[in-house]
Amino acid sequence: AQSVAQPEDQVNVAEGNPLTVKCTYSVSGNPYLFWYVQYPNRGLQFLLKYITGDNLVKGSYGFEAEFNKSQTSFHLKKPSALVSDSALYFCAVRDIRSGNTGKLIFGQGTTLQVKP
Amino acid sequence: AAGVIQSPRHLIKEKRETATLKCYPIPRHDTVYWYQQGPGQDPQFLISFYEKMQSDKGSIPDRFSAQQFSDYHSELNMSSLELGDSALYFCASTRLGGSFEQYFGPGTRLTVT
Repeated sequence: AQSVAQPEDQVNVAEGNPLTVKCTYSVSGNPYLFWYVQYPNRGLQFLLKYITGDNLVKGSYGFEAEFNKSQTSFHLKKPSALVSDSALYFCAVRDIRSGNTGKLIFGQGTTLQVKP
Repeated sequence: AAGVIQSPRHLIKEKRETATLKCYPIPRHDTVYWYQQGPGQDPQFLISFYEKMQSDKGSIPDRFSAQQFSDYHSELNMSSLELGDSALYFCASTRLGGSFEQYFGPGTRLTVT
């Protein structure tokens, strides 16, 4: 079965410090992985994706993620956190079993709290 | 840039009533997805359409139906509403053969009383 897991319900970090939000995946075949951010009462905003190619993927708002095949991980990172980064973050995998249109399967979500 | 539009943004219904949620995808996007997000939960896939045909179906109750129209907008019809249907309903769109990411609308918050 295709799945992603986010082991941390909440991550706390001080502003200016690096942040990491963890995600591990379980898929058959090559994974298509995504990170989305959700602010309160808002939709999900696409941050970045890994389809193929370089293991380090750069995305919006200074975020990046590292794809690690041996550890089946796709952790989200940012070198210097901002208070405005505080939000709910979802890791997702594209379900290849659903054909070309590929629905997303989401992790449980991680709340990121950046304190001034 | 144009985004996914959903209407209404908020909807309050009573039990056993019906509701219709609308989604207008990003121009030139041909695939639409519907997701349901309960309080404190991750989004769960309901149903998707490609070129006006249903392409995949998830955990969507039989009381719900959906379709995609010739202008690619989609409607989610919900009947015999139950308290447990209270949730945030997202529509997302993408262009098949494109870059795979789905773009989400702001959601419709449905409250069933």
